[in-house]
Amino acid sequence: GQQVMQIPQYQHVQEGEDFTTYCNSSTTLSNIQWYKQRPGGHPVFLIQLVKSGEVKKQKRLTFQFGEAKKNSSLHITATQTTDVGTYFCAGPAGNQFYFGTGTSLTVIP
Amino acid sequence: KAGVTQTPRYLIKTRGQQVTLSCSPISGHRSVSWYQQTPGQGLQFLFEYFSETQRNKGNFPGRFSGRQFSNSRSEMNVSTLELGDSALYLCASSSLSGLRDSGNTIYFGEGSWLTVV
Repeated sequence: GQQVMQIPQYQHVQEGEDFTTYCNSSTTLSNIQWYKQRPGGHPVFLIQLVKSGEVKKQKRLTFQFGEAKKNSSLHITATQTTDVGTYFCAGPAGNQFYFGTGTSLTVIP
Repeated sequence: KAGVTQTPRYLIKTRGQQVTLSCSPISGHRSVSWYQQTPGQGLQFLFEYFSETQRNKGNFPGRFSGRQFSNSRSEMNVSTLELGDSALYLCASSSLSGLRDSGNTIYFGEGSWLTVV
């Protein structure tokens, strides 16, 4: 069945280092959305990408949507301790909505 | 303005019982969707409602059902609870007509923690 995988599952970085999480879907997504969930919290919407090949930036965060609309990435430059959390990609395919498996980011001060 | 409100926040039920969870979307939002989050299965889509109509449904058994009222508030019900139904149940609302719409911003509630014993 449909799967949306993210790698890596866990990532520990030193504060100031960069971080990237990759999202791969087995089928084409209508759009890709990214969420951040802090430990014990609920997912918070970060951004939505719609167009093939689209790139968007939010301060230190850069989001990309692949040409085939089956993959995406989130890159954080110069991580800070406030970036700690799990990052999920998500998107609709058919009449379903799929979340990625998530990447848990730990930032070591 | 107030965010998405879910009640109850925490509850414990016994196997075989049923449970009803409530979600009040952000004022003016007409789309409400529900999700189950567990450590093993991650975040899984349950269903989406818009203007009292279920538009989409995830791959969950018929024990999971929901509805939306004319004021956009939504409820989900799980009957004949199983141990595996223990999870965080999240509700989200959005102002546009659904999860597939571009330009959408989706807001999650804090969730209802269900423990089945």
